[in-house]
Amino acid sequence: DGGITQSPKYLFRKEGQNVTLSCEQNLNHDAMYWYRQDPGQGLRLIYYSQIVNDFQKGDIAEGYSVSREKKESFPLTVTSAQKNPTAFYLCASNPGQVRGTEAFFGQGTRLTVV
Amino acid sequence: DAKTTQPPSMDCAEGRAANLPCNHSTISGNEYVYWYRQIHSQGPQYIIHGLKNNETNEMASLIITEDRKSSTLILPHATLRDTAVYYCIVRPFGDTGFQKLVFGTGTRLLVSP
Repeated sequence: DGGITQSPKYLFRKEGQNVTLSCEQNLNHDAMYWYRQDPGQGLRLIYYSQIVNDFQKGDIAEGYSVSREKKESFPLTVTSAQKNPTAFYLCASNPGQVRGTEAFFGQGTRLTVV
Repeated sequence: DAKTTQPPSMDCAEGRAANLPCNHSTISGNEYVYWYRQIHSQGPQYIIHGLKNNETNEMASLIITEDRKSSTLILPHATLRDTAVYYCIVRPFGDTGFQKLVFGTGTRLLVSP
C-alpha cells in the first residue's frame, strides 16, 4: 500500500544530543514537509522540499536541518541548537505540481528530550 | 500566518449533524479551501476540498459561500469517532505550482453520546 511512514513513533534523547527523524514515502510525490506540533497548538512548518536536492526553510527552521537526497526520503535532524525540541513531529507529502490535490501525513514521531 | 479563522471548540450530539464554520475573508481567486482533521496523537487526515462549488464525499460535505469568504464543513451524522481537531486551510497556488500548507489552531469537535 502507498503511504508515508515516520519512524520511530516515540523517541527519547538526552539534552545536547542531535537526533534524526525518518520520513519515507512511496507515493511518488515531489513535495515533502516537516511540521512541529506542541500540545494544544496547530502545526508549524519547519522545512519543506519541492524536489530532490532542494529544500526551503519554513517558519521555525532554527535548530533543525534536513536533506533530500532521494525523492522518497526527507529526514529531519533536531540539533542541540534547538532550544525546546520536545514536541510531536509530523511529515507530509503531496504531488507538488498538480492543482487541487491533498497532502498525506505520517503518523508522527513524539520526541522527548530529557 | 494562517489565513483562516475557526471557533476553538464545538460540541455535537452523536447522530446529529456537525456544522463547522470557517472564515477566509482574504481568499484569492485561485485558492482552494481544504479541510483536514486530526485525531489525538495521530497525523492529520484529509477530508475534503473545494474551489467555489459545494462538494460532497463519503466523509463530509463542504459548503462555500458565493463570495468565497467563508465555508462550512458538514458531518451529516456525527459519531464518537469524529471527535477530533478540524483544520480549515486556504491553499495558495503560486506560479511555480508549489503548495505550502499553513495550519492554524483548528476547531476541537467533541461528539458526545
